[in-house]
Amino acid sequence: KQEVTQIPAALSVPEGENLVLNCSFTDSAIYNLQWFRQDPGKGLTSLLLIQSSQREQTSGRLNASLDKSSGRSTLYIAASQPGDSATYLCAVKTGANNLFFGTGTRLTVIP
Amino acid sequence: DVKVTQSSRYLVKRTGEKVFLECVQDMDHENMFWYRQDPGLGLRLIYFSYDVKMKEKGDIPEGYSVSREKKERFSLILESASTNQTSMYLCASSLRWDTLGRNGGYTFGSGTRLTVV
Repeated sequence: KQEVTQIPAALSVPEGENLVLNCSFTDSAIYNLQWFRQDPGKGLTSLLLIQSSQREQTSGRLNASLDKSSGRSTLYIAASQPGDSATYLCAVKTGANNLFFGTGTRLTVIP
Repeated sequence: DVKVTQSSRYLVKRTGEKVFLECVQDMDHENMFWYRQDPGLGLRLIYFSYDVKMKEKGDIPEGYSVSREKKERFSLILESASTNQTSMYLCASSLRWDTLGRNGGYTFGSGTRLTVV
C-alpha cells in the first residue's frame, strides 16, 4: 500500500525566509501529486497539481517539484509571509480513485 | 470561481438522528468523494461516486450511506448518528480525465464540522 510521509511535521520560520517542505512516497507508480494547504477548521485548498510526466509546477511564490523515480516531491515557498501559516498536505493519486495523503507539515511564519 | 459547496459549516445532532450532509459542485466533475478527517488519523475515504447513481465504498463506509441522483450533488447520510461520528467531513470532486487525457486533480469543499451529542 502506498505510504506518504512529510518532513518536517512542524516548521517555524521568520517572515521573508525561503523554505522547503518535503513529501516522500513509497510506490512510484502514481498518476499525479497534489499539494494542498489547510487552515485550522477549514477545508483543503489546492495549491499545485503535478502530473506524473511533469517535473515541476509553479504558481506565484510556490514551486513544486516531482522526482517520481526516487519517490519525492518538494514544495518551495519563496519570501514567506504570515499568511502562509497553515498545514500543508501532499497527496498522490495511484488509481482511478485512490488518493493517499501525507501526514502534513504545520508551518508557522513569524512576523 | 469554480467550487465545491458544502451546505453546513457546523452541525450539532443528537445520537440516533438521521443526518444528511450535502455537497454540490459546479465544475461538471464526474467523480465525487466524501472524507472524514480526525486528529492523528488524517483523511479517510468514506464513499466515492464516479457517475450518477453509482457509488463505491471507501476505507470506512460503516455507518454511512450516500446518494447521487444528479451529477452535481453528492449526499452523505448517517442513518443513526453516533458519538464516534463526530468529525470534520470533507467533500471533494475531480474530473475523471482532463482535456489532455490526464487524471484530474481534486477540489475540496470548506468542510462540515459535525458534533454528535
